Amino acid sequence: DAGITQSPRHKVTETGTPVTLRCHQTENHRYMYWYRQDPGHGLRLIHYSYGVKDTDKGEVSDGYSVSRSKTEDFLLTLESATSSQTSVYFCATMREGTGELFFGEGSRLTVL
Amino acid sequence: QKEVEQDPGPLSVPEGAIVSLNCTYSNSAFQYFMWYRQYSRKGPELLMYTYSSGNKEDGRFTAQVDKSSKYISLFIRDSQPSDSATYLCAMTATDSWGKFQFGAGTQVVVTP
Repeated sequence: DAGITQSPRHKVTETGTPVTLRCHQTENHRYMYWYRQDPGHGLRLIHYSYGVKDTDKGEVSDGYSVSRSKTEDFLLTLESATSSQTSVYFCATMREGTGELFFGEGSRLTVL
Repeated sequence: QKEVEQDPGPLSVPEGAIVSLNCTYSNSAFQYFMWYRQYSRKGPELLMYTYSSGNKEDGRFTAQVDKSSKYISLFIRDSQPSDSATYLCAMTATDSWGKFQFGAGTQVVVTP
């Protein structure tokens, strides 16, 4: 357990509003990830970070931005939410020696 | 076409039966293979980890990798109702270390 906390756990918002999801970890892992999970698609990588201020895009990064100003926090922002971004969002960290991913409990976002 | 293909199921088996799960992939550079278990409304957790080809056993779980066929398998012996979950395969390559490709996940239901 890498002590990952996601907030908020549930959010309902309207199309066009900005949304920020927060991920906080206590294990000092360098790598952090944001995935979205949708039926039939499994987990798809949105963005990931390999250090403070070091981030890179994943396969579904359009419409999302991230920031990492501290090792323990990784923020995911939807600048202008759309209904296609309704999903369950998971934050994860990686133990570098083994490649094991540790996941948070997920944030369920509904965009109306 | 997705890099990693996994049958979504559901796969329903009676208690005590062997559960057989598999994934196929297209990227021959993948060398690190994982299986994650995800209970409903929870984050995935690592079940098995295999490097390169071969078999790995851990209690009732056996993971197999056949790199020549680009095919990985997970077997669960003496299945229990508590094994009911979604099982996701994941993989990565040395040259893309830290970027994992996930299968869509197979839902398994073990009936008493």
